[in-house]
Order: sequence, then structure tokens, then C-alpha cells
Amino acid sequence: AQTVTQSQPEMSVQEAETVTLSCTYDTSESDYYLFWYKQPPSRQMILVIRQEAYKQQNATENRFSVNFQKAAKSFSLKISDSQLGDAAMYFCAYREDMGRRALTFGSGTRLQVQP
Amino acid sequence: NAGVMQNPRHLVRRRGQEARLRCSPMKGHSHVYWYRQLPEEGLKFMVYLQKENIIDESGMPKERFSAEFPKEGPSILRIQQVVRGDSAAYFCASSPTSGGAVEQFFGPGTRLTVL
Repeated sequence: AQTVTQSQPEMSVQEAETVTLSCTYDTSESDYYLFWYKQPPSRQMILVIRQEAYKQQNATENRFSVNFQKAAKSFSLKISDSQLGDAAMYFCAYREDMGRRALTFGSGTRLQVQP
Repeated sequence: NAGVMQNPRHLVRRRGQEARLRCSPMKGHSHVYWYRQLPEEGLKFMVYLQKENIIDESGMPKERFSAEFPKEGPSILRIQQVVRGDSAAYFCASSPTSGGAVEQFFGPGTRLTVL
């Protein structure tokens, strides 16, 4: 079974600085998708960024980028120029390409942004 | 286009009562997923449905829990004879197709409290 591990329960960053959130996963599949979701205090789940495993190029969405290391099964999220609105829980998630349709989530990292 | 709607947003039940959680997917979406989030944990998959069919219920407890997505109307997650351990946030997500890269859009969740 696929597992997703986020080893940092909490992280803190100064406003305007850069922070990296870690995620590792375990799978025997070769094709899959990885996601980072943000859950602010409102509890609404918001997709931040997505990575296709068959793509070598790391995904980027404005201030958010990933470092995808397929061989190491690592998928970290980098947030540049951190803003107060970035404070939230961040969840890493995995999804198979052809098999199971469900998302498998990590346990989350709580990000605090200090002014 | 309205997002995924869930109601009620908060539900309080006494032990032994029934809880009914409703999810209206986004317009044009025929795939619905239910996830449960226990306090301080990530989301855990429960069940995946298409219109009138349960596709994957591997994450749903065999007893007391059931789900449906009728041809007309919202998807319903039903919990019979609730216990304190059922207290959690229940999220519904929807997507237009089931492809691996397709984004699942999440509703705001229903927070169930069992007294």
C-alpha cells in the first residue's frame, strides 16, 4: 500500500523568507501524481501544486515550487517570499495514475509565518 | 459555477443517533469522494462513488457506515448509531472524470461532534 510521510509536524518562517516542507512516499508504481494541498484555518482544502511522475521538470506555480526526486521518492514544497496568508496546514498527497482513484495524504505540516 | 457544497457544516449527535452528511458536487462532476479527518491528522479516504454506483469503498468501515450517490440529488454519507470515535471532519470532493491528474475539488467539510 502507498504511504506518504511528512516528518515535520510544524515549521516556522519569517515573512518574505523561503521555507521548504518535506514529503516522502512509498510506492511500487512507476506512474503516479503528487500534490500539495493547503488547509487554512477555514479548513477548506486548496490545491497548491501538482507534479506528474513522468515529468522530470519540477512544477512551479508562482511562489510555490517543488523538488521532485523520483528515485529517492521525495517531493518537497518550497515557498518563496513567504506571506502571512501562507500560514496553514500543508498536506502532501499521492494518487495512482491508472489504479486507485483515492488520494493518500500525509499527516501534514503546520506552517507559521512570523511578521 | 458554485463549488462543492456540503451540509450541514456542523452536526452534533448523541451516541446512538444517526448522522446524515450531504454533498452536492460541482456542476458537471459525476465523481464523488468522501474523506475523514480526525483531529490533528491528515485526510483518510473512505469511499468513491459515481452516479448510482459505489466504485471503491475500501476505506469505509464495514459496519454503521454507508454512502450513496443517486441519479438525482446529493451524495449522502450515513453513519448509524454514532460513537464518540466518529467525531471528525468529513470532506467531500468531486471531479469531472477519474483520471489521475484530474483535480479533486473539495467542499468545506462537515464537522461531526458526538456527545
